[in-house]
Amino acid sequence: DIQMTQSPSSASAYVGDRVTISCRASQDIRSWLLWYQHKPGKAPDLLISSASRLQNGVPSRFSGSGYGTDFTLTISSLQPEDFATYYCQQASSFPLTFGGGTKVEI
Amino acid sequence: QLQLQESGPGLAKPSETLSLTCTVSGDSISSTSYSWGWIRQPPGKGLEWIGDMYYDGTTNGGSTNYNPSLKGRVAISVDTSKNHFSLRLSSVTAADTALYYCATWSRSIGSFDPWGRGALVSVSS
Repeated sequence: DIQMTQSPSSASAYVGDRVTISCRASQDIRSWLLWYQHKPGKAPDLLISSASRLQNGVPSRFSGSGYGTDFTLTISSLQPEDFATYYCQQASSFPLTFGGGTKVEI
Repeated sequence: QLQLQESGPGLAKPSETLSLTCTVSGDSISSTSYSWGWIRQPPGKGLEWIGDMYYDGTTNGGSTNYNPSLKGRVAISVDTSKNHFSLRLSSVTAADTALYYCATWSRSIGSFDPWGRGALVSVSS
């Protein structure tokens, strides 16, 4: 199985801050990397596919980068609605696997 | 707009079978654009992919992929007459207590989108 390691597991930040979340795969997954945002009691939302492709309707302050084994999700200027848990997921091979999550909080 | 909603008993007894249903609205479950999947999150833990099914309209229904960690206890099926798909997980233990999400796997994008809001299932006697 491909292991996905996210860091940090939690991040304290203020509105307006730049936040960077890392995701590392245990083997090469090319650009088969997804990012989701999850708020308590709600369905997770897809933010980014193919490592860097922003989904329709997702604010441009979100961006993704990386290839192979190292990936990054960046929020350029944190907004109040961005406080949530973020997960990466590899879609390179079965079984599909997720990172442990990064909780972004005040 | 595609929407999913999980339903089913919130409690299962050890050694019994957990059953959940995901009702799809906004598109047909027979669509070849999607696969239909389940993901779970045990309390305080991360997300675990359970499996998915691609329905191709043939007599055998389609193809499935399951997480080997579930050791053959899982089955996903599609009911086109009700536009829903189901999860069955047999021989459950307390370790199967989790928030269970259904989700659509977009075959064009290669991602889970959208997801349901989740259904909590506790395994306890």
